[in-house]
Amino acid sequence: DTGVSQDPRHKITKRGQNVTFRCDPISEHNRLYWYRQTLGQGPEFLTYFQNEAQLEKSRLLSDRFSAERPKGSFSTLEIQRTEQGDSAMYLCASRSTGPTNTEAFFGQGTRLTVV
Amino acid sequence: QKEVEQNSGPLSVPEGAIASLNCTYSDRGSQSFFWYRQYSGKSPELIMFIYSNGDKEDGRFTAQLNKASQYVSLLIRDSQPSDSATYLCAVLAYKLSFGAGTTVTVRA
Repeated sequence: DTGVSQDPRHKITKRGQNVTFRCDPISEHNRLYWYRQTLGQGPEFLTYFQNEAQLEKSRLLSDRFSAERPKGSFSTLEIQRTEQGDSAMYLCASRSTGPTNTEAFFGQGTRLTVV
Repeated sequence: QKEVEQNSGPLSVPEGAIASLNCTYSDRGSQSFFWYRQYSGKSPELIMFIYSNGDKEDGRFTAQLNKASQYVSLLIRDSQPSDSATYLCAVLAYKLSFGAGTTVTVRA
């Protein structure tokens, strides 16, 4: 499978717990993006990486959210002390910044439900 | 002002008709423009991309870009019930930003 892979696909957690999601991008893609999407809305930008460097983090993202891409390959998104408002689909996308390929491809997403 | 705005839906068209979707963006430095299709409960799927002013056709889909007007559109010709989905406009400057989406329903 050469597509973007996200794990887990679904996560149900109790309020106050920490959760971590993983994204494995397409192998040659150097850019990796995290988005959050709630019902009826478009994907909301959270953060993105160029290789292992985190280049931007949305101001909408509280300190409870952190993301890493330690070796420039897979990435993790952690949410600490989850709140009910964190319930959403978390999407990962990757792309290459080479001159012939700038399209971003999405993984299947991780659906988080905080109860 | 939102970075990417799409015409509000939902949009209902009869089978075989043309569905027209519009999108405007605020960052004049935007370089690339994409249309994604998203079925309910699924992740977005890329259907079209356009980088230069003018039209780009791919099967029943035509994307149009006018950078001077900061406007991009998508036409779906001969609409089919399987085209019923939410269509997301995405704009790439230094990051990829999305509109809220327009939901299209094709009536059989």
